[in-house]
Amino acid sequence: DAGITQSPRHKVTETGTPVTLRCHQTENHRYMYWYRQDPGHGLRLIHYSYGVKDTDKGEVSDGYSVSRSKTEDFLLTLESATSSQTSVYFCAISEALNQPQHFGDGTRLSIL
Amino acid sequence: DAKTTQPTSMDCAEGRAANLPCNHSTISGNEYVYWYRQIHSQGPQYIIHGLKNNETNEMASLIITEDRKSSTLILPHATLRDTAVYYCIVRVAKVGGSNYKLTFGKGTLLTVNP
Repeated sequence: DAGITQSPRHKVTETGTPVTLRCHQTENHRYMYWYRQDPGHGLRLIHYSYGVKDTDKGEVSDGYSVSRSKTEDFLLTLESATSSQTSVYFCAISEALNQPQHFGDGTRLSIL
Repeated sequence: DAKTTQPTSMDCAEGRAANLPCNHSTISGNEYVYWYRQIHSQGPQYIIHGLKNNETNEMASLIITEDRKSSTLILPHATLRDTAVYYCIVRVAKVGGSNYKLTFGKGTLLTVNP
């Protein structure tokens, strides 16, 4: 299995608070991705990174920001969490854009 | 990316082969067929992918029809741990465009029974 660690695995927080999720990889892959998974919507891409300090938006990026200061870490931040951001968040990595993506085990985030 | 159609659910007896079909009749020549699965409460797991030739790895075999309009994922000896939702995804092979994301449909829930 690809060396991907997501933290925390579970989090409960209140509306309006900032939240940061971390994805750490040990594979030295260039590309990293954040998805969210919700019933009825499948997985949707939030943001992705194509290198250190290089990021771009996915299809549901509003309300989220990301940062990648080193190859192994990709952070997803909810500046002011809302209940609509309650979801399961998955990080993925790939060696190249046209190579398979490998996923972490997810973070279950509940915003009350 | 081309759209895929999969059955909603399938059952398989433990130890038997599980054959999961996928229709992708609008696939174009530069699109790969990918298969992922998601076991309950876990992240999606990459299984296999192919362009036009049949492929086999330690997990499964992928059979793509000659016209590439459909494919079948074969788990040769299904176990209870193979119970999962299986996703067939068509994805552009070349770098660039929108192929940075994977588009997951509803998939097929495979239940392996003892």
